[in-house]
Amino acid sequence: DAKTTQPNSMESNEEEPVHLPCNHSTISGTDYIHWYRQLPSQGPEYVIHGLTSNVNNRMASLAIAEDRKSSTLILHRATLRDAAVYYCILRRYTGTASKLTFGTGTRLQVTL
Amino acid sequence: NAGVTQTPKFQVLKTGQSMTLQCAQDMNHNSMYWYRQDPGMGLRLIYYSASEGTTDKGEVPNGYNVSRLNKREFSLRLESAAPSQTSVYFCASSEGGWRVANYGYTFGSGTRLTVV
Repeated sequence: DAKTTQPNSMESNEEEPVHLPCNHSTISGTDYIHWYRQLPSQGPEYVIHGLTSNVNNRMASLAIAEDRKSSTLILHRATLRDAAVYYCILRRYTGTASKLTFGTGTRLQVTL
Repeated sequence: NAGVTQTPKFQVLKTGQSMTLQCAQDMNHNSMYWYRQDPGMGLRLIYYSASEGTTDKGEVPNGYNVSRLNKREFSLRLESAAPSQTSVYFCASSEGGWRVANYGYTFGSGTRLTVV
């Protein structure tokens, strides 16, 4: 599975935008870029995913570089409830199933 | 709409005991997965089932068995529990088929297992 690289931790002030970076220089043309987050003591939660174009949903925006070797998850106004570990994952269909392989993610701290 | 339901939520086992973790989803998803998460670590895939009737090993399958009972249910069995299997176990489901990479996973809330 293609690897991703994320900072171990980031901090943000409440109500400020947050940009969480992810590098995936070995991405292949069929890999989708997925983002999940895990709040304390909970299971991971799907946030957003994309292939080539930028994507927006009610939770966040995903900005994908033109060469697809990096992406950025954007939280437009961080709240205390956004404090979580954020995982950037490449998902590829192999013909039988497409698995998610988790790294250690970025721990986001949000302060008042 | 319950999503993915895991039982039990907590369990303490003695070394050598066996148990089955249950998982059920009500979203008509084809694929189901079992992960474990050790303290301070990311999730690691134990087994997965791409569709009803099929199962395959993931990254850390040793010491576990699985059964895809039907489309809704995917169970994980520990035949002889060991302290190294102390972990939080998550079940997940997703759409399957040729478009499978274009869908997200839905995770359960986890089972916290302690083996003493």
